[in-house]
Amino acid sequence: SQQGEEDPQALSIQEGENATMNCSYKTSINNLQWYRQNSGRGLVHLILIRSNEREKHSGRLRVTLDTSKKSSSLLITASRAADTASYFCATVPFSGGYNKLIFGAGTRLAVHP
Amino acid sequence: DTAVSQTPKYLVTQMGNDKSIKCEQNLGHDTMYWYKQDSKKFLKIMFSYNNKELIINETVPNRFSPKSPDKAHLNLHINSLELGDSAVYFCASSQSPGQGKNEQFFGPGTRLTVL
Repeated sequence: SQQGEEDPQALSIQEGENATMNCSYKTSINNLQWYRQNSGRGLVHLILIRSNEREKHSGRLRVTLDTSKKSSSLLITASRAADTASYFCATVPFSGGYNKLIFGAGTRLAVHP
Repeated sequence: DTAVSQTPKYLVTQMGNDKSIKCEQNLGHDTMYWYKQDSKKFLKIMFSYNNKELIINETVPNRFSPKSPDKAHLNLHINSLELGDSAVYFCASSQSPGQGKNEQFFGPGTRLTVL
């Protein structure tokens, strides 16, 4: 079964508002990554947070990681219409040694002008 | 200057046929992957190659056979196509595991429709 679960499944907001997406996973991880997928396109890497990190920022993105709760959140501040896309979290399991991404179900974000 | 490219972009075929999807990356990466995204947008890894060696092989039917002629190419051949194979297949690449850079670069996807 899929490792990650994301909520909400869909999020609809106005431009300028903040968008928060959550991700939960089941097993120990090496790192957790967030990807964006525009409709009909491939995935684009946004940000990576390692298991020993708690928070990371990149531009308007803020990611948190709580390994005790096995959860992460992605915050997009001051959203724009161009942020409309699906957002996926993906974990790299701690065991295995390979860079195997296990994806969550994704959150569909719609930002209205 | 495309980083990860796939061909074809769309593939429509009949059940029982054999088809191939090609992937190439010009990022100098050692590791390449195939993912399948179903109609509900679930993404699942299928295979991974590192320096032409198979390192990840998920529970994928034997009808799927990846081939990596060199580090920059990873092709996917599918025999005896079934309706359930209809999906979008994504190729991706990254630096070798253990080099500390885990982000993966994805191709644009190949939408396979089996009739």
